[in-house]
Amino acid sequence: DIVMTQSPDSLAVSLGERATVNCKSSQSVSHRSDNKNYLAWYQQKPGQAPKLLIHWASTRESGVPDRFSGSGSGTDFTLTISGLQAEDVAVYYCQQYYATPRTFGQGTNLEIK
Amino acid sequence: QVQLQESGPGLVKPSQTLSLTCAVSGGSISSGDYFCSWIRQPPGKGLEWIGYIYYSGSTYYSPSLKRRVTMSVDTSKNQFSLNLTSVTAADTAVYYCATEGAPDGALDYWGQGTLVTVSS
Repeated sequence: DIVMTQSPDSLAVSLGERATVNCKSSQSVSHRSDNKNYLAWYQQKPGQAPKLLIHWASTRESGVPDRFSGSGSGTDFTLTISGLQAEDVAVYYCQQYYATPRTFGQGTNLEIK
Repeated sequence: QVQLQESGPGLVKPSQTLSLTCAVSGGSISSGDYFCSWIRQPPGKGLEWIGYIYYSGSTYYSPSLKRRVTMSVDTSKNQFSLNLTSVTAADTAVYYCATEGAPDGALDYWGQGTLVTVSS
């Protein structure tokens, strides 16, 4: 199985500041054939189902604010929230869909400082 | 816009079988556009992928649950189901159904989730 490791486990950021969440996979989740990174980011607010924010490592899902961005390739990926808003308080998960079984990171709890 | 809704008992006794159904609206399972997936989340913990089924009946189950999991699909009712046998307290979780874009994609649509508690 591909192990996904996120850092940090929790993060407190001031409103309007930048939040950065890292995700590392135990093996590359990039296909040589199409050069795509099979990596997604999800946001889960308390009491809600996860919501897809970013797929293919850097493609925002329709309707997701542009303050959310994803980057990285191979085994190292980053979710950046530029200009943190109060409604961004949530747990964020990365997930690889390069191979089965699909696997998630352990989650990063984002709070307001 | 695809919508998913889980249904099933909220309480299951130890050693019995957990059975859940996911009804899909706004899209057809038979289109072949997505894999029908199940994910669970124990209280206060992270997400665990259980497996998926394609409209054709092809399945992939997580190795950690493979011995106890069966998934099925009913294209006539546009729904798919999860059975998990021999449950224990460790299977207590919120169970989500979701769609994953086929042939490869992220989990783009999710149900609201249903809490299943295993207790006598």
